[in-house]
Amino acid sequence: KQEVTQIPAALSVPEGENLVLNCSFTDSAIYNLQWFRQDPGKGLTSLLLIQSSQREQTSGRLNASLDKSSGRSTLYIAASQPGDSATYLCAVGTSGTYKYIFGTGTRLKVLA
Amino acid sequence: DAGVIQSPRHEVTEMGQEVTLRCKPISGHNSLFWYRQTMMRGLELLIYFNNNVPIDDSGMPEDRFSAKMPNASFSTLKIQPSEPRDSAVYFCASNFVEPQGLLTEAFFGQGTRLTVV
Repeated sequence: KQEVTQIPAALSVPEGENLVLNCSFTDSAIYNLQWFRQDPGKGLTSLLLIQSSQREQTSGRLNASLDKSSGRSTLYIAASQPGDSATYLCAVGTSGTYKYIFGTGTRLKVLA
Repeated sequence: DAGVIQSPRHEVTEMGQEVTLRCKPISGHNSLFWYRQTMMRGLELLIYFNNNVPIDDSGMPEDRFSAKMPNASFSTLKIQPSEPRDSAVYFCASNFVEPQGLLTEAFFGQGTRLTVV
C-alpha cells in the first residue's frame, strides 16, 4: 500500500529565502508525482507534474525533482515571498491504479 | 474551460438528513475522483471513476455513502443519513487517463464544505 509522507509539517521562513519541501513515498512503482498548493479555505491548485521518466520540472521560481529509486521528491522554491504562504501537498500516481495518494502537506509561512 | 465545478460550496444540514454533493468535471477528462479533507486525516480518496465506471470505492467509509456518475459530465456523492462526523470539505477532481494507463495532471474543484449539526 502506497504511503506518502511530507516533512516538515510546518515551516516559517523570512522573505527571500530559498527553501526545500520534501515528499517521500514507499512504493517506487509510480506513474507520476504532482505538487499542489492549497490556500486556506480553497481548493487545490496544481503546481507541477513530474512523470516517472523525468528527473525534474520547473515553473518560474518552482523546481520539483523526482528520485524514484529512493522514493523521494523535493519542491524547491527560490526567493520566497509572502504570497507563497500556503499548504503544499504532493500526490503520487501509483502504477496499476488510476488514483493519486496524497501526503499530509507542509504548511508554509513566509514572513515579510 | 471553467475547471472542475462543485456545488454547493457550503452545506449545513441536520443529522439524519440526506446530503447530495455535485461535481462537473473538466470536459474531455475521463477520470473523476471524490476526496474528503479533514484536519485529522488530511485528504482521503473516497472513490474514483474511469469512463463513468467506479473503479475503486474502497475509501468510502460506510454504506451511508454512495456515488454515481451517470454520464461523463456529472457525478454525485450522496450521504444518507448524514452524521456530525461526516463534517469535512469534500473535493472533486478530474484528469485524463490515456489508454496505456498514463495519468495526466489532476485538477480540483473548490470543494463543498459540509457541516452536519
